[in-house]
Amino acid sequence: GDSVTQMEGPVTLSEEAFLTINCTYTATGYPSLFWYVQYPGEGLQLLLKATKADDKGSNKGFEATYRKETTSFHLEKGSVQVSDSAVYFCALSFSGGGADGLTFGKGTHLIIQP
Amino acid sequence: DTAVSQTPKYLVTQMGNDKSIKCEQNLGHDTMYWYKQDSKKFLKIMFSYNNKELIINETVPNRFSPKSPDKAHLNLHINSLELGDSAVYFCASSPPPGHAVEQYFGPGTRLTVT
Repeated sequence: GDSVTQMEGPVTLSEEAFLTINCTYTATGYPSLFWYVQYPGEGLQLLLKATKADDKGSNKGFEATYRKETTSFHLEKGSVQVSDSAVYFCALSFSGGGADGLTFGKGTHLIIQP
Repeated sequence: DTAVSQTPKYLVTQMGNDKSIKCEQNLGHDTMYWYKQDSKKFLKIMFSYNNKELIINETVPNRFSPKSPDKAHLNLHINSLELGDSAVYFCASSPPPGHAVEQYFGPGTRLTVT
């Protein structure tokens, strides 16, 4: 079946450091790819998305590029802030994110220290 | 205006009881979902409803029953609660396939079974 693998956490960085969270997927076909973020005590928010190969999603300084050849969707940010501390989930879906639901990775807990 | 809302936010109950969690979305979406997040933050799809029809049921015990009185609501009823049901349950909704692909999540309901 479809699956998403992302780096285990927690990942601890200092403020203004460069961030990379790796995400790879296994799927038959070409899914849509997502990064969701969960701040402490809250629900999930869509951070960015890409629906086809070579698409780059970006939001709030975060970026990720859909790489079909490496089946990857790594999340990057050039300079992290304390407010970026959260759990980040990579996910995939078919049917344009419709009734199939999302398949999530296990989440990466990011801690940014001042 | 809250897009996807859930009640209650916290639910503490004893083993063997029956409980319900309510979900409402005011986005006009056709598809709604229930996800379970375990103690390690892993998220897994439980149900998907499209226009009041069950689309998927990912091997969830039949003690769990989704009920959708109308397109804007998808409630989750749980019979004979067990300790292993303790988790955070998230409701989500999405537009029809072919439109915007992301899912919108509610704030979650933390269920604790004692």
